[in-house]
This record gives sequence, C-alpha cells and structure tokens, in this order.
Amino acid sequence: DAGVTQSPTHLIKTRGQQVTLRCSPKSGHDTVSWYQQALGQGPQFIFQYYEEEERQRGNFPDRFSGHQFPNYSSELNVNALLLGDSALYLCASSRPLHSTEAFFGQGTRLTVV
Amino acid sequence: DAKTTQPNSMESNEEEPVHLPCNHSTISGTDYIHWYRQLPSQGPEYVIHGLTSNVNNRMASLAIAEDRKSSTLILHRATLRDAAVYYCILFTGGGNKLTFGTGTQLKVEL
Repeated sequence: DAGVTQSPTHLIKTRGQQVTLRCSPKSGHDTVSWYQQALGQGPQFIFQYYEEEERQRGNFPDRFSGHQFPNYSSELNVNALLLGDSALYLCASSRPLHSTEAFFGQGTRLTVV
Repeated sequence: DAKTTQPNSMESNEEEPVHLPCNHSTISGTDYIHWYRQLPSQGPEYVIHGLTSNVNNRMASLAIAEDRKSSTLILHRATLRDAAVYYCILFTGGGNKLTFGTGTQLKVEL
C-alpha cells in the first residue's frame, strides 16, 4: 500500500502565477482533505472533497479551488499566487463513515517568489 | 471549533516515560480526543484517540480525565524517533476537518 502520495514534492512559482498540486489517496479511501501549513504553525484546513464535490471549506479565499476525480484522486489549484501562499500543502485521505484517523502525505513545499 | 491548549515544548530523556498534557475545557459530549504527531519533514501521523475511557495502542496510551476537560498522551519509553510536534485535536467524527493548534514540540535527549 503506497499510502497517500503527493506531487510534486517541491515547487517554486512567481507571484501572480497559478499552481496545481496533486494527491492520490490511500487505497480504499474516498475522502480527500487539503491543508496549508505555514512555517512554525499547525496545518490549517482548506477544504474537503467527497464524491467529487467540495463538502467542507475552511477560511480560504476563492483563489483556492479543488477537484476530485472518479478514482478519488484530487487536485488543489491556487490562482494569482501571493508571497503569503508559500507553505507546505498537505493532503489527507480518510473514509468518512468509518473515520477514526486521517492519513497524510508528505506534502508539497510551495515557494512563491 | 472547540479549542485545545498545550505547552509549547517539553523535553525528555531517552527510555523515560513522557506525559504530554492537553486542556480542552470547552469539549462537547460528541467530541473525540485525537492525537497526531508530525516528525520533521513529514506529514502528520495519527497516534491515538479516545472518547471517555483510557486507551492503549502500540504507540502510546491516552489518559482522559473524568470530566473530559483534559487529557494526557503517554509515551511509555521515549526514543529519539519520538522527537516531533504532538497535536491534541478535538474531532467530531465522520471525516470532518481536523483543527490543529500549534502543538507541543517534544525534544528527546540521550
């Protein structure tokens, strides 16, 4: 079992650009959540996808959007990048009806310059 | 979201027990107490969870106060590999979002 995989591992973008991050959930999991972790802080919830729909959303602007595919994999898109978007972006998968734990990937380190 | 309060950092010696405290005075009756840890350069990792009774698993034990307003994560014999940030989270099941605080940075020394 490969667990949760994220790509790419590192990324450097310029202010104003757009970025797409990808996540494959753990086998058997159908729910994907995205988190942003700034340096020295705990992860902050961005949104959660289940059955290809956004089910919950944290306090993030509309520049942050996502998608879930029929195979449960997911993408996080960020438009009009700001310097403050530099962070570790984490993907977590779970099975909502049986969820006692979430499994996290190792994250994508995004640097905006 | 109900909040948790944890010390910013704690230190331990290797092979000694570690007790990591967490206060959650506004916990509701349906909130589970979850603990995650994050090793350097990795995503968070589930450690243990409980509702009312104390819990044990291969990684740790969770002691929950009778009034549920506090809990303690117990690592029975700390190793260098246990050095991480430990997060105490209140979780209302069903795949809902996890609300992380800043956690406790555990340092383990030889």
